[in-house]
Amino acid sequence: RKEVEQDPGPFNVPEGATVAFNCTYSNSASQSFFWYRQDCRKEPKLLMSVYSSGNEDGRFTAQLNRASQYISLLIRDSKLSDSATYLCVERGYQKVTFGTGTKLQVIP
Amino acid sequence: NAGVTQTPKFQVLKTGQSMTLQCAQDMNHNSMYWYRQDPGMGLRLIYYSASEGTTDKGEVPNGYNVSRLNKREFSLRLESAAPSQTSVYFCASSEARGYYNEQFFGPGTRLTVL
Repeated sequence: RKEVEQDPGPFNVPEGATVAFNCTYSNSASQSFFWYRQDCRKEPKLLMSVYSSGNEDGRFTAQLNRASQYISLLIRDSKLSDSATYLCVERGYQKVTFGTGTKLQVIP
Repeated sequence: NAGVTQTPKFQVLKTGQSMTLQCAQDMNHNSMYWYRQDPGMGLRLIYYSASEGTTDKGEVPNGYNVSRLNKREFSLRLESAAPSQTSVYFCASSEARGYYNEQFFGPGTRLTVL
């Protein structure tokens, strides 16, 4: 089993829709988690950290479920500018693992 | 404030050639990293430097060497390039190697080895 697994997509959603991605991880001792956003042929950029209590930033909500070992990202009211690949990142002791990413395409 | 810069942006090498990828950051960060990104593989850590004067191997260090020249600069060297090293290389930096410290990435170097 991969350490961090994501559905590669693509998720094609209309503008204004709500979309959610999950990311599963295998290391129960993982310390922290993040969502990064990567535009086509660009570098990854931090979207948000994922705290045990969950966190929200505008239209974006991240949640962590340690019992089932997954994190999620919810995007409400999708915009065309949300089209990108979303990378799940898990940080364990001495190691950071990136998922392969989930591609989102928001359609007019 | 340029953040993390990388040179070159693109490079084509022949098998066996050598080259050095340059990376610099102006955020006074202690930690710097080199990753490679391949389709279907995600970002994989090649080497990192937790602080000036130290370097450590990551997940895929074979075929690479690094130098932490000073606090700002961290270079990656391919001594004898192989086609398997065709990839996009990203340099990143963070304030420290703490659990919640954000990594800032450079724009990447697209390397093709023929």
